[in-house]
Amino acid sequence: RKEVEQDPGPFNVPEGATVAFNCTYSNSASQSFFWYRQDCRKEPKLLMSVYSSGNEDGRFTAQLNRASQYISLLIRDSKLSDSATYLCVVRSNQAGTALIFGKGTTLSVSS
Amino acid sequence: DVKVTQSSRYLVKRTGEKVFLECVQDMDHENMFWYRQDPGLGLRLIYFSYDVKMKEKGDIPEGYSVSREKKERFSLILESASTNQTSMYLCASSLLQYEQYFGPGTRLTVT
Repeated sequence: RKEVEQDPGPFNVPEGATVAFNCTYSNSASQSFFWYRQDCRKEPKLLMSVYSSGNEDGRFTAQLNRASQYISLLIRDSKLSDSATYLCVVRSNQAGTALIFGKGTTLSVSS
Repeated sequence: DVKVTQSSRYLVKRTGEKVFLECVQDMDHENMFWYRQDPGLGLRLIYFSYDVKMKEKGDIPEGYSVSREKKERFSLILESASTNQTSMYLCASSLLQYEQYFGPGTRLTVT
């Protein structure tokens, strides 16, 4: 089983749509969770951390379900500028571990 | 703002050449990482370092080595470049166990 799995998409949605991305992880010891955004030919940038209680940042909402080892990202009122690849990232807090990246989900928002 | 810089955005090398990719961060981060990113394979960790002169192998260290003589600088070395090392190389740094910040990437072509 892959450590972090995401639906690669692409997700093609019109402006204003609500879209949700899902991610599952295999290591139950994972303790830190993030969503990164990567634009075409650019480096990944942190979009938001994901907390156990769920968290919201403007139009973006992240949820974590530890029992199901599942993370989600919800984007409301999609903008053209949201078009990018969204990377699900997890890390175990065991010493010596690095971040594990999913392969990403591609979103294309059209007018 | 955290700044991670990489020595080159684009690099073309011949098979068998020794290649040095340099990465510098200005935020006094302990941790530094080297990834490569290829279509369909996502980000794969090559090597990482938790302190000066320390290094740990990632998922795909074969054909690579690293050097960290100063805290702010982490170098990736391709001892004898091969065509299958053509890729986008991304450096990242982080403070302790927190989120990673990426450099702009080096697109390396080996002919």
